Amino acid sequence: KQEVTQIPAALSVPEGENLVLNCSFTDSAIYNLQWFRQDPGKGLTSLLLIQSSQREQTSGRLNASLDKSSGRSTLYIAASQPGDSATYLCAVNNSGYALNFGKGTSLLVTP
Amino acid sequence: DAGVIQSPRHEVTEMGQEVTLRCKPISGHDYLFWYRQTMMRGLELLIYFNNNVPIDDSGMPEDRFSAKMPNASFSTLKIQPSEPRDSAVYFCASSLGTVYNEQFFGPGTRLTVL
Repeated sequence: KQEVTQIPAALSVPEGENLVLNCSFTDSAIYNLQWFRQDPGKGLTSLLLIQSSQREQTSGRLNASLDKSSGRSTLYIAASQPGDSATYLCAVNNSGYALNFGKGTSLLVTP
Repeated sequence: DAGVIQSPRHEVTEMGQEVTLRCKPISGHDYLFWYRQTMMRGLELLIYFNNNVPIDDSGMPEDRFSAKMPNASFSTLKIQPSEPRDSAVYFCASSLGTVYNEQFFGPGTRLTVL
């Protein structure tokens, strides 16, 4: 069974810092990996989708990388802002339909 | 597009009552997923449909849970009878195809069973 782990569980940084969120998974036979953002009491917003054949994806200040062989992905956030405060979830698709989610990293960016 | 729509957003009920959660997927999407989020277990897939047909319900916790998709624009998740341990946030998601496409999530229904 695919196990997805996100480290750290919580992170607090001052505004303006660059930061990295980590995601690891045990089964490297994946189709793709998706990063989501979840604000308190809200749904999940898709940030980036990386196919298994890709190494990275970029959207604005966000950059996600994928190293399938080592079972790892990172989400890089440049020049963090208070509005980036949220929980970030990593989800792996290795069955063709179901997403296996990590428990998330709770990020707080302080002004 | 309005995105995935779920109703109600919040539901408080008493143990033993029937609960029905509703979902309208993004128009044109042929896959619909129901997930449940709890503090202990995180997000877990309950069931998914392809072209209105249930494909895998192995994540449905008990016979008290049932899901239907009578047409391409509507799905329900029903719990009967409800129990306090069913308290969670239930998300509906949809996608166009599965393997290579993103899943888009609704805002969720926060269910509290007293």
